[in-house]
Amino acid sequence: AQSVTQLGSHVSVSEGALVLLRCNYSSSVPPYLFWYVQYPNQGLQLLLKYTSAATLVKGINGFEAEFKKSETSFHLTKPSAHMSDAAEYFCAVTRLASGGSYIPTFGRGTSLIVHP
Amino acid sequence: KAGVTQTPRYLIKTRGQQVTLSCSPISGHRSVSWYQQTPGQGLQFLFEYFSETQRNKGNFPGRFSGRQFSNSRSEMNVSTLELGDSALYLCASSFSGTGANVLTFGAGSRLTVL
Repeated sequence: AQSVTQLGSHVSVSEGALVLLRCNYSSSVPPYLFWYVQYPNQGLQLLLKYTSAATLVKGINGFEAEFKKSETSFHLTKPSAHMSDAAEYFCAVTRLASGGSYIPTFGRGTSLIVHP
Repeated sequence: KAGVTQTPRYLIKTRGQQVTLSCSPISGHRSVSWYQQTPGQGLQFLFEYFSETQRNKGNFPGRFSGRQFSNSRSEMNVSTLELGDSALYLCASSFSGTGANVLTFGAGSRLTVL
């Protein structure tokens, strides 16, 4: 079974500081990995995805993530936080299910708090 | 390009009632999946449909059901509501449901059971 662990349910940073949100996964096969962001009262939006091409993946809004197979990690970073980055962030890994489609397993989410 | 539309956005029901939620996917997307989001359990997969067929189902009781129509629109139904069914129900669509397909989510239907 696949699982996703996001370390830290809350991360607090100052505006302009580095953002680091941690994600570790377990998977028996090469995974498809995603980061999504959820703003209040909205659904999830894709930030970036890893599909076995480049290990460093660039996403929207200045975010990027690095796939490290040896560490089974896919941490999300942004060099300089903006107030508008305050949101809930979810890491997800997909698995091939019995019905032939891919089902995502989501981490519990990390709430990013940005202080002025 | 219109996004994923979920209706209703908010609803309040009492225990024992049933509820039907609707999801209109992005045009051309044939896979629709549903998720339950709660503070305690996070995001849990409910089921996934493709071309009117349920391909996969999560670990939820039979009170949770769904269907997909020929135009890819989907509905989910929860019968005999319980307090624990209070949650944000999210629908997502993708082109085919393959591994690298990005899910596009709707804004959700927030269900409160009293």
